Amino acid sequence: AQKITQTQPGMFVQEKEAVTLDCTYDTSDQSYGLFWYKQPSSGEMIFLIYQGSYDEQNATEGRYSLNFQKARKSANLVISASQLGDSAMYFCAMREENAGGTSYGKLTFGQGTILTVHP
Amino acid sequence: EADIYQTPRYLVIGTGKKITLECSQTMGHDKMYWYQQDPGMELHLIHYSYGVNSTEKGDLSSESTVSRIRTEHFPLTLESARPSHTSQYLCASSLRAETYTEAFFGQGTRLTVV
Repeated sequence: AQKITQTQPGMFVQEKEAVTLDCTYDTSDQSYGLFWYKQPSSGEMIFLIYQGSYDEQNATEGRYSLNFQKARKSANLVISASQLGDSAMYFCAMREENAGGTSYGKLTFGQGTILTVHP
Repeated sequence: EADIYQTPRYLVIGTGKKITLECSQTMGHDKMYWYQQDPGMELHLIHYSYGVNSTEKGDLSSESTVSRIRTEHFPLTLESARPSHTSQYLCASSLRAETYTEAFFGQGTRLTVV
């Protein structure tokens, strides 16, 4: 069984500063994918970034980067140069994948972290 | 931008009513999912489908049912709504071959049963 843990219920950051949102995971699978989604107050889930378990380089997407430490089973999200529009709930999620990168597609989510960006 | 749509966005309904939450996607994705999310909490998978005429129950037990008669359509039905069904329901879809691809989510349906 897969488990995702996000230990920060809420985080605060000053506009234009960087912030790290923590995520640890537990799985016995050899191949898996890790995701971060953003959920604004409107409710939709917005995909931010993906990291495959066999990827040696940390994923980056614009202001988002994923600090992947496989031995520690952590996949922290780093947001650089925070903006007021970054205020939202952030979810870390995991998906089992086979060696070819395909999967059943089912995501297991963490509890989420509410990020508040102050001006 | 993802082409997956859910209707209605908001629904307030009385106890005992039958409801159907609609979910459609125009991306030709084989896999579709329903997640349930209580306010401020994590998402839990309640149903999924790998293609037409394929439906499976998810990790969280739910009294709802689903059907997949067409690739693009994955409705969720509650035969008799109860206050305990009050929650947000999120539909998602993804490609069959998923290397480095994510699941796309609809905007969700916020259901309140009074």
